[in-house]
Amino acid sequence: NAGVTQTPKFQVLKTGQSMTLQCAQDMNHEYMSWYRQDPGMGLRLIHYSVGAGITDQGEVPNGYNVSRSTTEDFPLRLLSAAPSQTSVYFCASSPNAGFEQFFGPGTRLTVL
Amino acid sequence: AQTVTQSQPEMSVQEAETVTLSCTYDTSESDYYLFWYKQPPSRQMILVIRQEAYKQQNATENRFSVNFQKAAKSFSLKISDSQLGDAAMYFCAYRASNYQLIWGAGTKLIIKP
Repeated sequence: NAGVTQTPKFQVLKTGQSMTLQCAQDMNHEYMSWYRQDPGMGLRLIHYSVGAGITDQGEVPNGYNVSRSTTEDFPLRLLSAAPSQTSVYFCASSPNAGFEQFFGPGTRLTVL
Repeated sequence: AQTVTQSQPEMSVQEAETVTLSCTYDTSESDYYLFWYKQPPSRQMILVIRQEAYKQQNATENRFSVNFQKAAKSFSLKISDSQLGDAAMYFCAYRASNYQLIWGAGTKLIIKP
């Protein structure tokens, strides 16, 4: 099993550009989520999904979109990048919400 | 809204000694989960230990154990026989009934050889 994979590992964007962060898991987990991690802060939930076709907003959803067309994939889209979105982004999955979340390696995003 | 507070931005301990990391949380729910995660410099998030709120017994995993005080809303992590590989950021997290994980700001643990 590859576990949770994220691409790319690093990305630099200019203000106003859009991009998609990819996340995939091969463990058949129903629950997937996206977090951002900023210096001096814990992870903050952006969006999450409890199954294919179902998504919901987390703590900091503004400026991000998600979709969940398959159990395996949960891409995160930045619609118009802003410097405030400079952060490290983590994707995670779990078999259900009560179990541990398995994390991907993260994507470091810089918006200039 | 639920909150998680880690009051120790940084802790240091001598190798082979014991250290306790603090975590408090605020919630009105009675059923929830609590987690400690470790984040080494590699950035990978690794689960250390998990506690279900309905269980009175404190969770243990080898050298890691928790002191779960539900009434006080406290969830501290004790690391015994500290090793150099334990050096990392440690995050406390609360899982609410709406599936969201709420995270503390983290404690940086330094191991002195």
